[in-house]
Amino acid sequence: EVQLVESGGGLVQPGRSLRLSCAASGFTFEDKSMHWVRQGPGKGLEWVSGISWNSGSTGYADSVKGRFTISRDNAKNSLYLQMNSLRAEDTALYYCAKENFAKWGQGTLVTVSS
Amino acid sequence: QSVLTQPPSASGTPGQRVTMSCSGSSSNLGFNTVNWYQQLPGTAPKLLIYSNAQRPSGVPDRFSGSKSGTSASLAISGLQSEDEADYYCAAWDDSLNGWVFGGGTKLTVL
Repeated sequence: EVQLVESGGGLVQPGRSLRLSCAASGFTFEDKSMHWVRQGPGKGLEWVSGISWNSGSTGYADSVKGRFTISRDNAKNSLYLQMNSLRAEDTALYYCAKENFAKWGQGTLVTVSS
Repeated sequence: QSVLTQPPSASGTPGQRVTMSCSGSSSNLGFNTVNWYQQLPGTAPKLLIYSNAQRPSGVPDRFSGSKSGTSASLAISGLQSEDEADYYCAAWDDSLNGWVFGGGTKLTVL
């Protein structure tokens, strides 16, 4: 069974950094592209970033470009999102999702507030 | 303002057929396929339709998708109370070089 488990969320002050992790199991992680998608409180879904199976290609939403960095470790079946210079508008539930958003984790909550 | 436009709400009674739309442009729906996701209250989204009209295993055939030009539709027939959820469309956008989601349609089963 495919499982995606996010961690690393929490309360952080504006301007600070946070690193999210996503542990994957139940599928051949190294074969699949992966994504981060977020959902602000009471809002819709917003694609944040994606990475190809071999890390050769990455993409970012304009809203996070230059501040967030996606990475993966295929040996550890893990996906990461390094978030720097956090802003109040980054407050959201962050989901990791498998290729084509076919499977989603339960999300980890990031709250940016002083 | 989402790149893909969805009506904010839709409703129907049990057993009815409802449709919801997703409108885009040439840079997204015009040349790329659309996926649909269902998000039940308090849960993570779930893939409902991919590649315009394909259903993953386990998704009932009450759910169907279609696309024409820069618009797509999701239809639910034999509406059930458990279909009450938010529905999102998504597609790759060639201009933005990223994925875009619609703002979502909240379906209420009356």
